Amino acid sequence: GAGVSQSPSNKVTEKGKDVELRCDPISGHTALYWYRQSLGQGLEFLIYFQGNSAPDKSGLPSDRFSAERTGESVSTLTIQRTQQEDSAVYLCASRSSGGAQYFGPGTRLLVL
Amino acid sequence: GESVGLHLPTLSVQEGDNSIINCAYSNSASDYFIWYKQESGKGPQFIIDIRSNMDKRQGQRVTVLLNKTVKHLSLQIAATQPGDSAVYFCAENIAGANSKLTFGKGITLSVRP
Repeated sequence: GAGVSQSPSNKVTEKGKDVELRCDPISGHTALYWYRQSLGQGLEFLIYFQGNSAPDKSGLPSDRFSAERTGESVSTLTIQRTQQEDSAVYLCASRSSGGAQYFGPGTRLLVL
Repeated sequence: GESVGLHLPTLSVQEGDNSIINCAYSNSASDYFIWYKQESGKGPQFIIDIRSNMDKRQGQRVTVLLNKTVKHLSLQIAATQPGDSAVYFCAENIAGANSKLTFGKGITLSVRP
């Protein structure tokens, strides 16, 4: 079946602009995660959605970052007033109950 | 603080040899571990997982070993192939932590032809 998809695959923006990143999880997966990966680094947890529960936002680096998820489907990660240090690969993953997380291809964000 | 770390930043092996990638974790509450492979320009790809009630699990050409006594995890790749060249991450899940994974920085596996 289809895996996790993300769009856009690449995004170049100017400092101070807002960006919106999209994630389509694997159908039926109840949990959805956003991570950030800087060049040559591991993955940094940002936010977690599970069903109708309140999201775990403990990894969001600042109030410029927010995310939403509609039911158990699409999620969007929004970064307001982007800064150059926001440049990274933003990865989305989804998980079925008790299973491993499966990742999308990521969105490469470059803030000029 | 608690962390997941990898012993070596790079590993170079001859095609056909076996590879062993090691990972140390420090959180004794971790109950689930995953190995991911990440090729350039792609997202991490699930390889194999293991729960803390096991000490060994085998997949196709891969084996994961878990030693809870010394908090050590390893990934063994049999008959390494050029397509195995990638960055490998170990990740741990802390029990009760909403399945948030803590990742190490990754180790690069380079396969020599």
